[in-house]
Amino acid sequence: GIQVEQSPPDLILQEGANSTLRCNFSDSVNNLQWFHQNPWGQLINLFYIPSGTKQNGRLSATTVATERYSLLYISSSQTTDSGVYFCAVGLGGANSKLTFGKGITLSVRP
Amino acid sequence: GAVVSQHPSRVICKSGTSVKIECRSLDFQATTMFWYRQFPKQSLMLMATSNEGSKATYEQGVEKDKFLINHASLTLSTLTVTSAHPEDSSFYICSAGREVSYNEQFFGPGTRLTVL
Repeated sequence: GIQVEQSPPDLILQEGANSTLRCNFSDSVNNLQWFHQNPWGQLINLFYIPSGTKQNGRLSATTVATERYSLLYISSSQTTDSGVYFCAVGLGGANSKLTFGKGITLSVRP
Repeated sequence: GAVVSQHPSRVICKSGTSVKIECRSLDFQATTMFWYRQFPKQSLMLMATSNEGSKATYEQGVEKDKFLINHASLTLSTLTVTSAHPEDSSFYICSAGREVSYNEQFFGPGTRLTVL
C-alpha cells in the first residue's frame, strides 16, 4: 500500500517562530489532507490539498504532486498551535480510505 | 457544514461485554464512512470501511466478528465491539466524506473505550 512519511517527528518552537512540516508519499494521490489533532483527540481539518497552494491565516500548505510531497507552513506560531499534525493521503475521492502518516508533534513554548 | 458526531465520547466497560459506538453525519449524507483506531501516541489505523446498505470492508488483521459494523442509513454507522477485552481499549474515530465540491473527509470527535 501507499506509504506516508512525515518529518520531523518532533518539533519544539519558541512562540513567534515559523516552521515547515513535511509529508512525503510513495504514490500518486487524488486526496491529501492536513489535520491538527487537539488535546482531546479531535482531528481538525486544516487543508484539503491534493495539489497546489492554499493559505488560511497563519497557515499555508503546498503540495507538489509530481514530486510526491506536501509542506505545511506555520508562521508566527502560538502556544495554541501545539499538538500533533497529521498528513493523510488517499487514492480516490471522499469514498476512498485515507492512509495517515505517523504525525508530527509540535510544542510551542511561551 | 460537514459535521460528524460520535456517541458516546467515553465508555468504560467490563471485560466480556459489548459496546456500541454511533457515528452520524449531521448535515450531509454519507454513503461511505470509515472507522479508525488510535492507540496512545500513535497514528490512526483504518479498521474498516462502512458502506450504506451493504457489508463493511475490513482491513487485514481486523476481526470481522469482533468489530461489527452496520451502516443502516445515509447518516448513521455503528461499530459494536463484541466481547471486549482490555486490549481493545483504544480511541475509536469515525470519518465520512462529503463529495459536494471536494473529496474531503471529516472526522468525528472520537470515542475513548476503556475495558476493565
